[in-house]
Amino acid sequence: DAGVIQSPRHEVTEMGQEVTLRCKPISGHNSLFWYRQTMMRGLELLIYFNNNVPIDDSGMPEDRFSAKMPNASFSTLKIQPSEPRDSAVYFCASSFATGVAKNIQYFGAGTRLSVL
Amino acid sequence: QQQVKQSPQSLIVQKGGISIINCAYENTAFDYFPWYQQFPGKGPALLIAIRPDVSEKKEGRFTISFNKSAKQFSLHIMDSQPGDSATYFCAASYDYGGATNKLIFGTGTLLAVQP
Repeated sequence: DAGVIQSPRHEVTEMGQEVTLRCKPISGHNSLFWYRQTMMRGLELLIYFNNNVPIDDSGMPEDRFSAKMPNASFSTLKIQPSEPRDSAVYFCASSFATGVAKNIQYFGAGTRLSVL
Repeated sequence: QQQVKQSPQSLIVQKGGISIINCAYENTAFDYFPWYQQFPGKGPALLIAIRPDVSEKKEGRFTISFNKSAKQFSLHIMDSQPGDSATYFCAASYDYGGATNKLIFGTGTLLAVQP
């Protein structure tokens, strides 16, 4: 299996621009998580989906952030408009929500976002 | 109450030494405690995990020690190697009856093993 695939790996944009991050979960997994990692705040859960439905978006910092999961194999995290303080590494993770496996999350390699 | 407190923030160990990272929690409903390992430029990956019905779990050079009464758990890396240099995250979750479990992560420990 190719694992969780994120794109792009690096994104540099200017303040005010729209940014879209993409994630392809592991085939067969039915839960998907978006995290943000910074030196100051560590690894923060932004939102997670189960069977393509958003379950908990309490970690989304502002209305500028939105996430969608139109089908089981694709999710996006969008920031509009972007600000310098959004600069971070964004991770997507997926899991198979049954039994003990529902505790195990598999992470992608992340997208490093720099907002100038 | 949902927090997991992790220490130290960074750790330097000589090759062959023992690395110890500690975590503490408040929520007694937590029933699963994993450790994730993250190398530079990569996402975190599950290293080892424990449930509170046992006090210790060992996998190779990695051991989790769990103290339920103190609400603390720790990762011990025996015979630490330069290849173990990475950031380590503890985490906790509980089964609230939903379809999936949310992990609460500690703040991470940057481990450097010197040759």
